[in-house]
Amino acid sequence: GAVVSQHPSRVICKSGTSVKIECRSLDFQATTMFWYRQFPKQSLMLMATSNEGSKATYEQGVEKDKFLINHASLTLSTLTVTSAHPEDSSFYICSARGRSSGELFFGEGSRLTVL
Amino acid sequence: GENVEQHPSTLSVQEGDSAVIKCTYSDSASNYFPWYKQELGKRPQLIIDIRSNVGEKKDQRIAVTLNKTAKHFSLHITETQPEDSAVYFCAASKGRKTSYDKVIFGPGTSLSVIP
Repeated sequence: GAVVSQHPSRVICKSGTSVKIECRSLDFQATTMFWYRQFPKQSLMLMATSNEGSKATYEQGVEKDKFLINHASLTLSTLTVTSAHPEDSSFYICSARGRSSGELFFGEGSRLTVL
Repeated sequence: GENVEQHPSTLSVQEGDSAVIKCTYSDSASNYFPWYKQELGKRPQLIIDIRSNVGEKKDQRIAVTLNKTAKHFSLHITETQPEDSAVYFCAASKGRKTSYDKVIFGPGTSLSVIP
């Protein structure tokens, strides 16, 4: 199956700083990637759909100025959490759908802790 | 938008018994229904999926059924083993194998298989 890689896997930052998370499709071109957020023992909540070469589409209730998404190439999407606060601490996970199967392939996830 | 509900939220079974997880969806246009297994601290992995033109699909100990009229779909695991213990998510998506259609997840079921 397709491989999606996410980096960093863990990040700790101070309140007020910005953190960038990268998501790469290693062996296929992903025109669309999805960013999810997962709280402990909860489901995957879709934050936004990242489209290569155009603006991301955000789900209702997700602040686009807070969570900046850039999809600069067919293999890379980035999520930047700006001016992070403790309530932004969470597990962020990216994914991309395979072109032929429609299966969703996930990155390893990034655990963000804001102090 | 699509809303996916899932029951039960937790499920404990004895090793060797069967486990059944049920989901409902709200958008009648949804036509792709995957099931993901997520072990603690790991990324979700697809275990089986079903499309709306099929009523049932089986893969060894795992089977999924779909009732489009009632907008219900279920996961059946037979002869459960301790390694089946994980959180299971059902999901729904619309579109036919397209890479850009978002996948909406249910709240998850934590399955524990007791040896």
